[in-house]
Amino acid sequence: AQRVTQPEKLLSVFKGAPVELKCNYSYSGSPELFWYVQYSRQRLQLLLRHISRESIKGFTADLNKGETSFHLKKPFAQEEDSAMYYCALRSTGTTSGTYKYIFGTGTRLKVLA
Amino acid sequence: EAQVTQNPRYLITVTGKKLTVTCSQNMNHEYMSWYRQDPGLGLRQIYYSMNVEVTDKGDVPEGYKVSRKEKRNFPLILESPSPNQTSLYFCASSATGLGYTFGSGTRLTVV
Repeated sequence: AQRVTQPEKLLSVFKGAPVELKCNYSYSGSPELFWYVQYSRQRLQLLLRHISRESIKGFTADLNKGETSFHLKKPFAQEEDSAMYYCALRSTGTTSGTYKYIFGTGTRLKVLA
Repeated sequence: EAQVTQNPRYLITVTGKKLTVTCSQNMNHEYMSWYRQDPGLGLRQIYYSMNVEVTDKGDVPEGYKVSRKEKRNFPLILESPSPNQTSLYFCASSATGLGYTFGSGTRLTVV
């Protein structure tokens, strides 16, 4: 089954501490993975795509096919990083030639002063 | 400005009264989708559309309908809303290979 798992519902860290938000996936093909962020009372925004290997707002994520993981990391957390983070996988749809996105249940990051 | 526009932002309705939530994007994206967001359950896909007149069920399609007559619009229809459809709904669009652009959400309450 195609699935995205974010094992932590809540992660609290102190400002300046490193952050790692975990994401594991189950997918038989070649995955395309994304991280989205949702700040309080705002829409979801794309944070990272694994294809582009970019760093946004100091966050990075590396696809580890052996461990089927795509963890989101930041070396020094800031208070403004407090938000809900969702990992997502682009997978095949129910009809041939289609695709859909599967989201994890999200991790709420709280950065404490 | 490139965006996905949903209307209304807030809606309170009664059980059984048909409603439509509109979604429009100005980025010429082929792919559009509807999600509902519920506490502890994250985002669950309701329906998606690969292009005009091409739609498919997501994970929780029961009680919903969609149509894609034009590339820019992807309305979500609740023919007979029930209280368990009370939720926060998001529309999103994307171009092939890129991530989503999300709308600002519609908070629906069915009483």
